[in-house]
Amino acid sequence: GNSVTQMEGPVTLSEEAFLTINCTYTATGYPSLFWYVQYPGEGLQLLLKATKADDKGSNKGFEATYRKETTSFHLEKGSVQVSDSAVYFCALSDQYEGYQKVTFGIGTKLQVIP
Amino acid sequence: SQTIHQWPATLVQPVGSPLSLECTVEGTSNPNLYWYRQAAGRGLQLLFYSVGIGQISSEVPQNLSASRPQDRQFILSSKKLLLSDSGFYLCAWSPGGLSYEQYFGPGTRLTVT
Repeated sequence: GNSVTQMEGPVTLSEEAFLTINCTYTATGYPSLFWYVQYPGEGLQLLLKATKADDKGSNKGFEATYRKETTSFHLEKGSVQVSDSAVYFCALSDQYEGYQKVTFGIGTKLQVIP
Repeated sequence: SQTIHQWPATLVQPVGSPLSLECTVEGTSNPNLYWYRQAAGRGLQLLFYSVGIGQISSEVPQNLSASRPQDRQFILSSKKLLLSDSGFYLCAWSPGGLSYEQYFGPGTRLTVT
């Protein structure tokens, strides 16, 4: 079956540091890939997505590139802010019996300190 | 625009009591609907999904059940709660078709004591 692997963290960075959160996946078909962000006590928000190989998703300074050859979708940001502190989930989505089955990673907690 | 609502936001219930969590979606029709549970420090576990009124599929056998009495209403229930039912419950919807994104509600924090 499908699976998503990402580090659990926490990842602690100073403000304005460069961020990379690694994500690799296993899938039998051609999934779409996503990054979701969850702020404390809230639901998940879609951060960015990519639907085919070599696509780059970007939003709010974050970006990730769909790398089919390495089955990866690493999240990057050039300069993090304290407000980026949250849990980040990598996910893949594929059609399964008529609905979009989403497989989530375990989530990576990011702490940005001033 | 579409919005998704969940209530209550927080719930504390004793073991053995019943449960009813509600989720409604506005601004769309015939959405796919999902219930997830997020245990403390863990990832998301899909509990139920629905592709239409009265159509419920269960991913994990347990003492929870789900119902979809209306197109944009999704209810999560239990007759008798267990301590292990504590967690953060998230409802989500997706447009269906070729759109793969899911959009999440604000969640319900359930503590079973």
